[in-house]
Amino acid sequence: DSGVTQTPKHLITATGQRVTLRCSPRSGDLSVYWYQQSLDQGLQFLIQYYNGEERAKGNILERFSAQQFPDLHSELNLSSLELGDSALYFCASSVDTDRTDTQYFGPGTRLTVL
Amino acid sequence: AQTVTQSQPEMSVQEAETVTLSCTYDTSESNYYLFWYKQPPSRQMILVIRQEAYKQQNATENRFSVNFQKAAKSFSLKISDSQLGDTAMYFCAHHAGGTSYGKLTFGQGTILTVHP
Repeated sequence: DSGVTQTPKHLITATGQRVTLRCSPRSGDLSVYWYQQSLDQGLQFLIQYYNGEERAKGNILERFSAQQFPDLHSELNLSSLELGDSALYFCASSVDTDRTDTQYFGPGTRLTVL
Repeated sequence: AQTVTQSQPEMSVQEAETVTLSCTYDTSESNYYLFWYKQPPSRQMILVIRQEAYKQQNATENRFSVNFQKAAKSFSLKISDSQLGDTAMYFCAHHAGGTSYGKLTFGQGTILTVHP
């Protein structure tokens, strides 16, 4: 158990819908990262937040957005869902933003878009 | 941009034997970190080992060790005394600094199967 929690574990929805994925980082960690794992794209970095502020953006679609709240939990919002958005979404956390930090991953949320 | 390449889509090994997984990377950074993560059938991403680029000494963690060749930009993982529980997908990852902050760039993964 990494100490990072993600809810829900599984999510099944229809095209065009909107969903919210939630992540709670390890105690004491200020940085949260979101990654998408799909069969065709592999593991890709989406976005990073540090202590409530966006720090880095990766291959995140405009239909996707995220935020980190004062209690440091983070939410990833996916809207106008398409079949291709079906994937495993991971949240990871680390103490800081420095490259020395190790990222610890949550168990992931499996999103299925029908 | 950083890239990470794992050229072995699948590997297999007998229990108790040794196996080496390959990884090469490309980066313009001079100081960075490299990681191996394991993803068993449960899909959880588990840290196996990490290597600081400025350290000459190869990292080891129990049965897991790396062969880090900075000039060649190579970072292979050796698993000794393989166990059935080592069956998983293994990902090599590069952790850049600068404006990339904490972004991890992953390779495509290698599926390792340990046979009894």
